[in-house]
Amino acid sequence: KAGVTQTPRYLIKTRGQQVTLSCSPISGHRSVSWYQQTPGQGLQFLFEYFSETQRNKGNFPGRFSGRQFSNSRSEMNVSTLELGDSALYLCASGKTGGAEKLFFGSGTQLSVL
Amino acid sequence: DQQVKQNSPSLSVQEGRISILNCDYTNSMFDYFLWYKKYPAEGPTFLISISSIKDKNEDGRFTVFLNKSAKHLSLHIVPSQPGDSAVYFCAAQYNNNDMRFGAGTRLTVKP
Repeated sequence: KAGVTQTPRYLIKTRGQQVTLSCSPISGHRSVSWYQQTPGQGLQFLFEYFSETQRNKGNFPGRFSGRQFSNSRSEMNVSTLELGDSALYLCASGKTGGAEKLFFGSGTQLSVL
Repeated sequence: DQQVKQNSPSLSVQEGRISILNCDYTNSMFDYFLWYKKYPAEGPTFLISISSIKDKNEDGRFTVFLNKSAKHLSLHIVPSQPGDSAVYFCAAQYNNNDMRFGAGTRLTVKP
Protein backbone atom coordinates (compact mmCIF):
# COMPACT_ATOMS: atom_id res chain seq x y z
CA LYS A 1 0.00 0.00 0.00
CA ALA A 2 1.57 3.30 -1.08
CA GLY A 3 2.12 5.91 1.60
CA VAL A 4 1.33 9.60 1.53
CA THR A 5 3.03 11.28 -1.40
CA GLN A 6 3.93 14.95 -1.42
CA THR A 7 5.30 16.87 -4.37
CA PRO A 8 7.54 18.63 -4.93
CA ARG A 9 10.09 17.61 -2.33
CA TYR A 10 11.92 20.94 -2.41
CA LEU A 11 10.89 24.35 -3.66
CA ILE A 12 12.63 27.70 -3.84
CA LYS A 13 10.57 30.81 -4.42
CA THR A 14 11.01 34.56 -4.04
CA ARG A 15 8.93 36.96 -2.01
CA GLY A 16 5.64 37.89 -3.59
CA GLN A 17 5.34 34.73 -5.65
CA GLN A 18 2.76 32.06 -5.10
CA VAL A 19 3.20 28.33 -4.69
CA THR A 20 1.08 25.20 -4.94
CA LEU A 21 1.92 22.02 -3.06
CA SER A 22 0.37 18.66 -3.76
CA CYS A 23 -0.53 15.70 -1.57
CA SER A 24 -1.82 12.26 -2.49
CA PRO A 25 -3.19 10.43 0.56
CA ILE A 26 -3.14 6.72 1.20
CA SER A 27 -5.69 4.93 -0.95
CA GLY A 28 -9.03 4.81 0.83
CA HIS A 29 -8.25 7.71 3.14
CA ARG A 30 -10.68 10.59 2.87
CA SER A 31 -9.17 13.05 5.33
CA VAL A 32 -6.17 15.20 4.47
CA SER A 33 -4.57 17.63 6.91
CA TRP A 34 -1.82 20.15 6.29
CA TYR A 35 0.77 21.27 8.82
CA GLN A 36 3.58 23.79 8.82
CA GLN A 37 6.76 22.92 10.67
CA THR A 38 9.29 25.57 11.59
CA PRO A 39 12.24 25.19 13.99
CA GLY A 40 11.05 25.43 17.59
CA GLN A 41 7.39 25.77 16.65
CA GLY A 42 6.42 22.18 16.24
CA LEU A 43 3.67 21.33 13.81
CA GLN A 44 1.21 24.14 13.30
CA PHE A 45 -2.16 23.06 11.93
CA LEU A 46 -3.21 24.74 8.68
CA PHE A 47 -6.43 23.02 7.62
CA GLU A 48 -8.14 19.69 7.19
CA TYR A 49 -10.26 18.44 4.34
CA PHE A 50 -12.70 15.58 4.36
CA SER A 51 -14.64 14.51 1.29
CA GLU A 52 -13.74 17.73 -0.55
CA THR A 53 -14.93 19.97 2.30
CA GLN A 54 -12.74 22.02 4.58
CA ARG A 55 -13.73 20.79 8.00
CA ASN A 56 -11.19 22.53 10.25
CA LYS A 57 -8.95 25.54 9.86
CA GLY A 58 -5.99 26.78 11.87
CA ASN A 59 -4.90 30.33 12.63
CA PHE A 60 -3.16 31.20 9.40
CA PRO A 61 -3.83 34.22 7.17
CA GLY A 62 -6.00 33.97 4.11
CA ARG A 63 -2.90 33.74 1.91
CA PHE A 64 -2.91 30.07 2.84
CA SER A 65 -5.63 28.10 1.12
CA GLY A 66 -6.31 24.56 0.05
CA ARG A 67 -8.68 22.25 -1.67
CA GLN A 68 -9.43 18.58 -2.01
CA PHE A 69 -10.47 16.75 -5.13
CA SER A 70 -12.94 13.92 -5.55
CA ASN A 71 -10.10 11.38 -5.51
CA SER A 72 -9.04 12.77 -2.09
CA ARG A 73 -5.87 14.32 -3.47
CA SER A 74 -5.27 17.73 -1.97
CA GLU A 75 -3.45 20.89 -2.90
CA MET A 76 -2.29 23.73 -0.75
CA ASN A 77 -1.66 27.21 -2.11
CA VAL A 78 0.26 30.09 -0.59
CA SER A 79 -0.02 33.45 -2.31
CA THR A 80 2.16 36.53 -1.92
CA LEU A 81 4.95 34.59 -0.28
CA GLU A 82 6.80 36.09 2.67
CA LEU A 83 10.22 35.17 4.06
CA GLY A 84 8.50 33.74 7.16
CA ASP A 85 6.68 31.20 5.04
CA SER A 86 9.91 29.24 4.68
CA ALA A 87 9.14 25.93 6.37
CA LEU A 88 8.53 22.25 5.94
CA TYR A 89 4.94 21.68 4.87
CA LEU A 90 3.57 18.32 5.86
CA CYS A 91 0.50 16.54 4.66
CA ALA A 92 -1.20 13.81 6.67
CA SER A 93 -3.96 11.42 5.72
CA GLY A 94 -6.49 9.54 7.78
CA LYS A 95 -9.51 7.39 7.08
CA THR A 96 -12.04 9.55 8.86
CA GLY A 97 -10.19 12.46 10.43
CA GLY A 98 -11.60 11.45 13.78
CA ALA A 99 -9.74 9.98 16.73
CA GLU A 100 -7.20 7.99 14.75
CA LYS A 101 -3.55 8.07 13.91
CA LEU A 102 -2.49 10.12 10.93
CA PHE A 103 0.00 9.06 8.30
CA PHE A 104 2.41 11.74 7.18
CA GLY A 105 4.19 12.35 3.94
CA SER A 106 7.85 13.38 3.81
CA GLY A 107 6.90 16.99 3.31
CA THR A 108 7.74 19.81 0.96
CA GLN A 109 10.62 22.02 2.07
CA LEU A 110 9.79 25.55 0.93
CA SER A 111 12.44 28.23 0.94
CA VAL A 112 11.41 31.82 0.28
CA LEU A 113 14.24 34.14 -0.72
CA ASP B 1 -2.82 29.11 21.51
CA GLN B 2 -0.53 26.31 22.50
CA GLN B 3 -2.94 23.67 23.77
CA VAL B 4 -0.28 20.96 23.78
CA LYS B 5 3.04 21.74 25.40
CA GLN B 6 6.35 19.96 25.50
CA ASN B 7 8.46 22.05 27.83
CA SER B 8 11.74 20.21 27.30
CA PRO B 9 13.24 21.00 23.91
CA SER B 10 15.89 18.34 24.34
CA LEU B 11 16.79 15.27 26.36
CA SER B 12 19.98 13.23 26.45
CA VAL B 13 20.21 9.74 27.94
CA GLN B 14 22.68 6.89 27.98
CA GLU B 15 22.03 3.79 25.93
CA GLY B 16 20.20 1.16 27.96
CA ARG B 17 18.70 3.66 30.37
CA ILE B 18 15.13 4.93 30.48
CA SER B 19 14.00 7.94 28.43
CA ILE B 20 11.03 9.87 29.76
CA LEU B 21 9.43 12.48 27.53
CA ASN B 22 6.72 14.70 28.97
CA CYS B 23 3.72 16.50 27.55
CA ASP B 24 1.07 18.76 29.07
CA TYR B 25 -2.24 19.87 27.59
CA THR B 26 -4.76 22.51 28.49
CA ASN B 27 -7.92 21.46 26.65
CA SER B 28 -9.95 19.05 28.80
CA MET B 29 -11.93 18.03 25.72
CA PHE B 30 -9.00 16.08 24.29
CA ASP B 31 -9.74 12.38 24.45
CA TYR B 32 -7.13 10.82 22.23
CA PHE B 33 -3.39 11.24 22.57
CA LEU B 34 -0.53 10.15 20.37
CA TRP B 35 3.23 10.21 20.15
CA TYR B 36 5.06 10.63 16.87
CA LYS B 37 8.73 10.23 16.09
CA LYS B 38 10.46 12.31 13.45
CA TYR B 39 13.82 11.98 11.77
CA PRO B 40 15.33 14.89 9.80
CA ALA B 41 13.95 15.36 6.29
CA GLU B 42 11.18 12.82 6.92
CA GLY B 43 7.57 13.09 7.96
CA PRO B 44 6.55 12.11 11.50
CA THR B 45 5.77 8.44 12.04
CA PHE B 46 3.21 7.18 14.50
CA LEU B 47 4.65 5.56 17.60
CA ILE B 48 1.94 4.89 20.16
CA SER B 49 -1.44 6.26 21.25
CA ILE B 50 -3.76 6.21 24.22
CA SER B 51 -7.44 6.87 24.69
CA SER B 52 -8.63 8.99 27.59
CA ILE B 53 -10.43 6.00 29.09
CA LYS B 54 -7.08 4.41 29.82
CA ASP B 55 -4.12 5.51 31.91
CA LYS B 56 -1.46 3.32 30.35
CA ASN B 57 -0.68 1.74 27.02
CA GLU B 58 2.35 -0.39 26.31
CA ASP B 59 3.93 -1.48 23.04
CA GLY B 60 7.27 -3.22 23.35
CA ARG B 61 9.85 -0.78 24.68
CA PHE B 62 7.38 2.11 24.55
CA THR B 63 4.82 2.94 27.22
CA VAL B 64 2.56 5.97 27.35
CA PHE B 65 1.06 7.11 30.63
CA LEU B 66 -1.92 9.47 30.89
CA ASN B 67 -2.84 11.48 33.99
CA LYS B 68 -6.12 13.17 33.13
CA SER B 69 -6.46 15.07 36.38
CA ALA B 70 -3.05 16.67 35.81
CA LYS B 71 -3.59 16.95 32.05
CA HIS B 72 -0.25 15.29 31.59
CA LEU B 73 1.10 12.43 29.57
CA SER B 74 4.50 10.88 29.27
CA LEU B 75 6.32 8.48 26.99
CA HIS B 76 8.75 6.00 28.51
CA ILE B 77 11.31 4.22 26.37
CA VAL B 78 13.05 1.30 28.05
CA PRO B 79 15.77 0.45 27.27
CA SER B 80 16.80 3.41 25.14
CA GLN B 81 18.77 2.67 21.97
CA PRO B 82 20.87 4.99 19.76
CA GLY B 83 18.33 4.45 16.95
CA ASP B 84 15.71 6.11 19.15
CA SER B 85 17.50 9.43 18.67
CA ALA B 86 14.93 11.65 16.96
CA VAL B 87 12.43 14.43 17.65
CA TYR B 88 9.34 13.22 19.49
CA PHE B 89 6.04 15.02 19.13
CA CYS B 90 3.08 14.71 21.45
CA ALA B 91 -0.36 15.18 19.87
CA ALA B 92 -3.94 15.38 21.08
CA GLN B 93 -7.36 15.33 19.45
CA TYR B 94 -11.09 15.14 20.18
CA ASN B 95 -14.07 14.26 17.99
CA ASN B 96 -13.45 15.29 14.41
CA ASN B 97 -11.36 18.27 15.32
CA ASP B 98 -7.85 18.86 14.15
CA MET B 99 -4.94 17.12 15.81
CA ARG B 100 -2.80 19.50 17.89
CA PHE B 101 0.92 18.96 18.28
CA GLY B 102 3.48 20.06 20.81
CA ALA B 103 6.74 21.74 19.82
CA GLY B 104 8.68 18.49 20.08
CA THR B 105 11.51 17.13 22.22
CA ARG B 106 14.81 16.13 20.64
CA LEU B 107 15.99 12.89 22.20
CA THR B 108 19.65 11.92 21.95
CA VAL B 109 20.65 8.44 23.08
CA LYS B 110 24.40 8.16 23.61
CA PRO B 111 26.18 4.83 23.05
